[in-house]
Amino acid sequence: EADIYQTPRYLVIGTGKKITLECSQTMGHDKMYWYQQDPGMELHLIHYSYGVNSTEKGDLSSESTVSRIRTEHFPLTLESARPSHTSQYLCASSEAGDLQEQFFGPGTRLTVL
Amino acid sequence: GDSVTQMEGPVTLSEEAFLTINCTYTATGYPSLFWYVQYPGEGLQLLLKATKADDKGSNKGFEATYRKETTSFHLEKGSVQVSDSAVYFCALTQKLTFGTGTRLTIIP
Repeated sequence: EADIYQTPRYLVIGTGKKITLECSQTMGHDKMYWYQQDPGMELHLIHYSYGVNSTEKGDLSSESTVSRIRTEHFPLTLESARPSHTSQYLCASSEAGDLQEQFFGPGTRLTVL
Repeated sequence: GDSVTQMEGPVTLSEEAFLTINCTYTATGYPSLFWYVQYPGEGLQLLLKATKADDKGSNKGFEATYRKETTSFHLEKGSVQVSDSAVYFCALTQKLTFGTGTRLTIIP
């Protein structure tokens, strides 16, 4: 079944640790995105990719980095987690083109102590 | 730049009440417009969309009409259910621009 997956769903980690949030999609989509979602619900685009070896920063500045080595995989890495990184992270994908809907994963809720 | 202004929440209604969540937008060109819904503990999922002026998107009893003259895409439902309790986001292309979300709670 075509879908988009995120792991882990929940992560509690100490300050200074390196973490990688995984995102994979089986829909063959070219475009992929990472959003950070406030406790107040607002979504902020932090990274996006138009295809393999393409990554761009989004509207919200983030200390995280991403890579796109394979079409289906778009991991997000924090080299040194801090409490300010505590948030919900949502991954999404879409077909190429400007008018396409996005498909979202279930999210990873990250807590940095 | 492109932007979406969405009705502030939270919104609390009784079951079977009529729902309107307002959404207005600013955009260059001819964007597509979307409503997404986020149920507790889940990611967003597309509720409905409209790709050109005067289009009406509909799904699960929800409707929204793309009004270019008023730059609006208001979400409506005639009779809400407890299962409609969720957060609703209005959005537009091209680089998907989201509203701030409206939390809807339906009480039996």
